Amino acid sequence: KAGVTQTPRYLIKTRGQQVTLSCSPISGHRSVSWYQQTPGQGLQFLFEYFSETQRNKGNFPGRFSGRQFSNSRSEMNVSTLELGDSALYLCASSLDEGQAYEQYFGPGTRLTVT
Amino acid sequence: AQSVTQLDSQVPVFEEAPVELRCNYSSSVSVYLFWYVQYPNQGLQLLLKYLSGSTLVESINGFEAEFNKSQTSFHLRKPSVHISDTAEYFCAVSEGGGGNKLTFGTGTQLKVEL
Repeated sequence: KAGVTQTPRYLIKTRGQQVTLSCSPISGHRSVSWYQQTPGQGLQFLFEYFSETQRNKGNFPGRFSGRQFSNSRSEMNVSTLELGDSALYLCASSLDEGQAYEQYFGPGTRLTVT
Repeated sequence: AQSVTQLDSQVPVFEEAPVELRCNYSSSVSVYLFWYVQYPNQGLQLLLKYLSGSTLVESINGFEAEFNKSQTSFHLRKPSVHISDTAEYFCAVSEGGGGNKLTFGTGTQLKVEL
């Protein structure tokens, strides 16, 4: 099976702009989660989607939003970008059946805000 | 709220020596525990997990971790490290029945030297 794919891999944006990141989960996986990784704050949970519904949400401002489509692909959007949004954004998918709670991560999208 | 503490930010070790990376967690409910590894410029790879059952879990590349409920620990060990084990290791916890929200520790950089 193909792994989790994320596009684009690298992105440079200017303060005030908005950005959309995409994640395609492993085939058959219904849960998609997003994480932000920065040197200062480490890995932080953004949100999780399951069957097109947001199931969990982290402590991020409303500028961060996401959605999931019927084919389980997910997008996250960040509006009004700030310099502090520069980070590696990781997407993870999970089968989420029975005890299959392990999450499989994509390579990430490196976002730089200038 | 759950939290994870990785006591060592960096662990240097010589090749073929044993290593232990420490992880302690706090949670008021039952938890699932994970170790992930991250190589430079890559996403996270699941190394091993504890969901239930035997408290000693092993990975295919020689790592093992033991869940100790009384000490709320999930330390990672390897009896003999290889240069290719150089990477950053993250301990993570999710609450049972809480979906796929992972709380990560700050990571331990393992540097294996010749």
